[in-house]
Amino acid sequence: GAVVSQHPSWVICKSGTSVKIECRSLDFQATTMFWYRQFPKQSLMLMATSNEGSKATYEQGVEKDKFLINHASLTLSTLTVTSAHPEDSSFYICSASYRGTDTQYFGPGTRLTVL
Amino acid sequence: AQTVTQSQPEMSVQEAETVTLSCTYDTSESDYYLFWYKQPPSRQMILVIRQEAYKQQNATENRFSVNFQKAAKSFSLKISDSQLGDAAMYFCAYRSRAGNMLTFGGGTRLMVKP
Repeated sequence: GAVVSQHPSWVICKSGTSVKIECRSLDFQATTMFWYRQFPKQSLMLMATSNEGSKATYEQGVEKDKFLINHASLTLSTLTVTSAHPEDSSFYICSASYRGTDTQYFGPGTRLTVL
Repeated sequence: AQTVTQSQPEMSVQEAETVTLSCTYDTSESDYYLFWYKQPPSRQMILVIRQEAYKQQNATENRFSVNFQKAAKSFSLKISDSQLGDAAMYFCAYRSRAGNMLTFGGGTRLMVKP
């Protein structure tokens, strides 16, 4: 149980375009979803937290207008990287938790490469 | 703010041997959760074990066990009978009981030698 999927697993895009990454909880209702960014050989850096039906809370230093997060349902959150640039290339991971649990369940991640 | 420190960037262990990964944290809170996550080359984060701070008994999950020393703010992971599939990055993480965010340590890369 507690499976989280992400789509796509790998995306390559041109500089200046926007990319949408989906995060789905497959067998539970995710009241809270989290988006992380991970650079090679580094730890996970929390970008934002979103609760279903509410605006996302962004961590300090994360540009809200660049990384648009939508959590419209209890099973889906999306991260849109707008006007992507090469420095946005990274590994993006989502996680989800449900009411009453203390554990986050992670998706498999999405590798974004911006040319 | 809470911080989590993993002082061993890399560790290696012989297959079938035991290895201990270190984690220390800093908090002023008395009630919280601690986790160990494994990230294999696939980069899928996998929960290995969790510990509730108010429970004195150390958590165990098959070959994985923790040594939770609350006063010392230490939370080490012991892997017994190491297997090749244990090779991965291991992250220690902290979560306040009141909050929902995880604070991660920098990670330890574990290599398992056949």
